[in-house]
Parts: sequence; structure tokens; C-alpha cells
Amino acid sequence: EEQLLESGGGLVQPGGSLRLSCAASGFTFSSYAMNWVRQSPGKGLEWVSAISGRAAGTYYADSVKGRSTISRDNSKNTLYLQMNSLRVEDTAVYYCAKDRGSSWTPGNWFDPWGQGTLVTVSS
Amino acid sequence: DIQMTQSPSSLSASVGDRVTITCRASQSIYSYLNWYQQKPGKAPKLLIYDASSLQSGVPSRFSGSGSGTDFTLSISNLQPEDFATYYCQQSDTAPRTFGGGTKVEIK
Repeated sequence: EEQLLESGGGLVQPGGSLRLSCAASGFTFSSYAMNWVRQSPGKGLEWVSAISGRAAGTYYADSVKGRSTISRDNSKNTLYLQMNSLRVEDTAVYYCAKDRGSSWTPGNWFDPWGQGTLVTVSS
Repeated sequence: DIQMTQSPSSLSASVGDRVTITCRASQSIYSYLNWYQQKPGKAPKLLIYDASSLQSGVPSRFSGSGSGTDFTLSISNLQPEDFATYYCQQSDTAPRTFGGGTKVEIK
């Protein structure tokens, strides 16, 4: 069974940093692109970032570009999202999600998703 | 960015009903449209990909159609476990964008 388990969320002050992790199991991690998607409390879904299977390509939403870095360690089957200069509006549950294939291309989809980790940015 | 507009934002229905949710893209996305179901406190779950392909394990009462800019998700014979929020998502261009969601509630 394919499983994703996020960790690293918590309470951080505006301007602070946080690194989220997503541990994968049940599939060949390096063969799939991975994504981060967030959901602000009571709101809809927002795609945040993606990385190809071999980390050759990385992609970001404008809302986090320049403040966040996506990476992966295929030897540890783990995906990361380093978030810096955090803002109140970054408060959300952050989900990692497996992509359709190894490259991040049109026609992809997100399946499965992890259970999410909550990031709260507040003073 | 491609804007995805879902309607209605919420609806009330009874067990056994057929419901239809509409998703409109601000420009053509061909058939690059996915549908997800989310229950309270849970992660989204993929239902339909490429506009009309049913994800493995998803009941056949769920179906999707459309291409270009207009898409629909239909649920026939609504079951108690189908009361949830549904999101469409385009996978044509970056950034990937989602519709605002449609909450299906019990009448």
C-alpha cells in the first residue's frame, strides 16, 4: 500500500523558518514526481510546489517562490519543503502527494495524499 | 494562471439522488481535469483523472465528462459516504489550480 506521512509542522513566528518532511513507502519513490499542496483553515486547495523523480526539475507557485525550496532524498524515500520568511498567510495544512509519473508534465494527477501537517504562522 | 470555477458551491441532496457538479476553466485545458473528494479532517482522494477516467477502487456511480473548458462530475444513487466536498483541478499548465469546491450536504 502506498503511504505518505508528513511531519515538521508547528507554530512559528512571522519571518521564521520551517522544514516539512514527507516519508514515502509502498512504491519506488525515485520513479515519481512529488508535490506539496496546502489548505488554509476552512479554505480550498492550493498547489505549492513539485519536484521530478530525479530532482532534475523543481516548480513553485508564485506565492512561495523565492521563500521555499523543495528537495528530495531518494535514498531515504523522503520529500522536503524548506519554508523561509514565513507569513501569516502561509498558515495551512500542508499535504504531500504522489504524482502520476517521474516527470512533472501536463496530464498529471495527485494520488495518494498524506494526512497533512499543520503549519501555523502567528506571533 | 488558469481559473477554475465550480458550481454550485454547495448543494443539499438525499440518499439515492443523482447530483451533478460543474467545473469551468478560464481557458481550454483539453481533458486535463481531475476530480477529488475530501471529507472533514481528511486528505483529498482522487476520484476521476483526465476528465472521465475512473480511478481504481472508486465506485462506478461516480462519472466525469467534458473537455475544453466545461466539465461535470456526476454521482448517481448518492450514498451516505458520498457527503463530502468535491474539488476539480486542472493539470494543463503551471501552476496547477483547483476549483473552490462543492460541498454536498444531506437534505
